[in-house]
Amino acid sequence: KQEVTQIPAALSVPEGENLVLNCSFTDSAIYNLQWFRQDPGKGLTSLLLIQSSQREQTSGRLNASLDKSSGRSTLYIAASQPGDSATYLCAVTASGYSTLTFGKGTMLLVSP
Amino acid sequence: GAVVSQHPSRVICKSGTSVKIECRSLDFQATTMFWYRQFPKQSLMLMATSNEGSKATYEQGVEKDKFLINHASLTLSTLTVTSAHPEDSSFYICSASPLAGGGYADTQYFGPGTRLTVL
Repeated sequence: KQEVTQIPAALSVPEGENLVLNCSFTDSAIYNLQWFRQDPGKGLTSLLLIQSSQREQTSGRLNASLDKSSGRSTLYIAASQPGDSATYLCAVTASGYSTLTFGKGTMLLVSP
Repeated sequence: GAVVSQHPSRVICKSGTSVKIECRSLDFQATTMFWYRQFPKQSLMLMATSNEGSKATYEQGVEKDKFLINHASLTLSTLTVTSAHPEDSSFYICSASPLAGGGYADTQYFGPGTRLTVL
């Protein structure tokens, strides 16, 4: 059974810092990996999706990498801003028609 | 595009009553919809997968007679929590995958969630 772990569980940084969120998964036979953002009491917003054949994806200040063989992904946030404060969730799928397995998330707080 | 709504956003009910939560895809047709539950500081746990016009597929440990799912159209799925108890209090989130395009692992759009509190 696939298990997804995210470290750290919570992170507090001052504005402007670059930071890295980590995600690991136990079964490396994944189809894709996604990073989501969840604001308090809200739904999920997809940030980046990495197919199993890809090594990284970038969107603005966000960069996600994938090392499928080692079962790891990182989300790099450059020049953090208070508006980045949210919970970041990592999720993997086993195939194109399988469901998402989520980690517990990393709660990020960026202070002005 | 690809907007999913949920109604209500927040509901408080008494123990023993039933609550219905709606999930709608506003600008696309959803062949498959998913219902998740999220407890505080926990990950989203898939409860069931529903396809339009057929019975939902429930995950292990989810009581299908307690959590009734109806996917009567390509834009609407409902989750009814029957005889709700305080332990059912949680954040319920739906997601939907469009009719056209690849597998739903690539294209799943999430609703804003419904906070259920059972007194």
